[in-house]
Parts: sequence; C-alpha cells; structure tokens
Amino acid sequence: EDQVTQSPEALRLQEGESSSLNCSYTVSGLRGLFWYRQDPGKGPEFLFTLYSAGEEKEKERLKATLTKKESFLHITAPKPEDSATYLCAVHGAGGTSYGKLTFGQGTILTVHP
Amino acid sequence: ETGVTQTPRHLVMGMTNKKSLKCEQHLGHNAMYWYKQSAKKPLELMFVYNFKEQTENNSVPSRFSPECPNSSHLFLHLHTLQPEDSALYLCASSLGTGVQPLHFGNGTRLTVT
Repeated sequence: EDQVTQSPEALRLQEGESSSLNCSYTVSGLRGLFWYRQDPGKGPEFLFTLYSAGEEKEKERLKATLTKKESFLHITAPKPEDSATYLCAVHGAGGTSYGKLTFGQGTILTVHP
Repeated sequence: ETGVTQTPRHLVMGMTNKKSLKCEQHLGHNAMYWYKQSAKKPLELMFVYNFKEQTENNSVPSRFSPECPNSSHLFLHLHTLQPEDSALYLCASSLGTGVQPLHFGNGTRLTVT
C-alpha cells in the first residue's frame, strides 16, 4: 500500500525566512508526485508534478525537488500570502486503480509579517 | 472562479434526511472524483468516474450514492448519514485517469446532526 508522510505538521516562519517542507513516500513504482496548496475554505490548488528522481520545478518563491524516497518544497523568502496548507500526493504504478492518488496529511504553513 | 463548481457550499442535515451534492466542471475533462476531507486526516478518495463510467468505489458505505450523468456533472446522493460523516466533500476533475493533476472545487462543508 502506498504511503505518504509530510513533515512538519505545522511550520511558522517570519516573512523572508526560507525553509523547506518534506514529503516522504513509499510507493510501488512512482508514476508522479504532486504538490497542492489549500487555503482555508477552499479546495486544493495544483502546484507541481514531478515524475522522476532529480527533477526540479519552480514557481515564484516555491521550488519542488524529488528523490527516490522524498520530495521537498523549498520556500524562499516567504510572504504572508504563502500561508496555506501544502499537500503532497503520489500516483503509484501498483494496484488496479488508475487515477488513485495517495495524499499526505499536509503541512500547515504560517508566515508572519 | 474555479473551473469546478460545487453546490451547496454548506449543508446541515439530520440523520434521516436525504440530500444531494452537485459538482459541475467547465474544463472539458473526462474524469471526475469525489473526495472526503476530515480534520487532521489525508484526503480520502471515494469514487472515480471516467467518461461517465464508475471506475473506482473505495469501499464507501452505501449511504453515499454517486451519479454521473455526463462528463461535466457529478452528484453525490446522501441518505441516513451518521455524525461521523461530517466533513468537507471535494469534487475534482482531470483530463483522464492517468498521471494527471486534479482540479478541485471548493467543496461542500457537510454537518450531520
């Protein structure tokens, strides 16, 4: 069974204080790893897809990286508007179900001005 | 404005009521999903439809009954729910059921009294 563990559960940063969120996974054949952002009262918003170890993707202050066991979401010089819950999900090759993502429980990021 | 619209945004129902959640996507996608999001738990996949055909039922109790009349509309019919069914119900769509990012609606916050 695919598993995703995100750490820390919650992270408080000062504006401009760079940090990283971690997503550790076990999956039978990774086909893709996804990062989403979720604001309170809203649905998750897609950020990145990573397909293979060594891949990196960037969007504004966010950079996602992938190894064979984990992914990091690096946040450079965060701003208060980056405050949200960040979700990681994996799409494995095993099992009989397509389109079935396994999500982590999320990291709640709070950036103080 | 999200490409995936869910109504109602909030719903309070008694355990003997029957109600329905509605989801509509304007993205031209072929796959639609229902997810359940409970506090401090990862998103749980409930149902997957691909080209109107149900391809996944993730051991969901029969008090939840999905309906997908076409690729743009998805319903979740609810009856005789339990208080533990209170959660945020998220609809999502994707181009297909392969390794595709999901596009989520903003959810229906359901409270069962």
